[in-house]
Amino acid sequence: NAGVTQTPKFQVLKTGQSMTLQCAQDMNHNSMYWYRQDPGMGLRLIYYSASEGTTDKGEVPNGYNVSRLNKREFSLRLESAAPSQTSVYFCASSRSSGVSYEQYFGPGTRLTVT
Amino acid sequence: GESVGLHLPTLSVQEGDNSIINCAYSNSASDYFIWYKQVSGKGPQFIIDIRSNMDKRQGQRVTVLLNKTVKHLSLQIAATQPGDSAVYFCAENMSGGSNYKLTFGKGTLLTVNP
Repeated sequence: NAGVTQTPKFQVLKTGQSMTLQCAQDMNHNSMYWYRQDPGMGLRLIYYSASEGTTDKGEVPNGYNVSRLNKREFSLRLESAAPSQTSVYFCASSRSSGVSYEQYFGPGTRLTVT
Repeated sequence: GESVGLHLPTLSVQEGDNSIINCAYSNSASDYFIWYKQVSGKGPQFIIDIRSNMDKRQGQRVTVLLNKTVKHLSLQIAATQPGDSAVYFCAENMSGGSNYKLTFGKGTLLTVNP
């Protein structure tokens, strides 16, 4: 049981390049999330997927797209990377049982855009 | 408490002392709160949660207190150990119901001195 996995762990992009961050969970969770974390800041929600087949914008969605490929996988795409997108990106998942909203986090992807 | 600007609030304690980390939340309608711990280079890790119909909840060496009147949350760590050194985030569910989004505070850095 690996929990939440993310690839890659590190990435350097030039301005204007595109890339997709991958996330997978093996806990049979319904909901999945993408956050970014900047120095001295808490986590800010980019997009989330309450259940398979649905996605919704979070607090900072501009410049990103997401795909909920199936129940396990939720990817984040940067179509044209900008230096302002330099950050650490975390994927998370939760059961969404209504009893607990606990989210389980992956190890993060550290992205630098030059 | 919550940070202002880019600098995290910090708390420095001696090993064996009790620690109290505070958090002011923003939405009086929030009905669920979580404390997360994040060590450098890793994703946030769940510590304890509490629903708005409770004032106090205890876990192993940790207690969360909720004061809805002043919208304040605190995390108490008993007999703090060097392994407790981390950034601690509070998070609130602002929407309730079936919306499982969490909004995170900016975090407090706890340093435990041996």
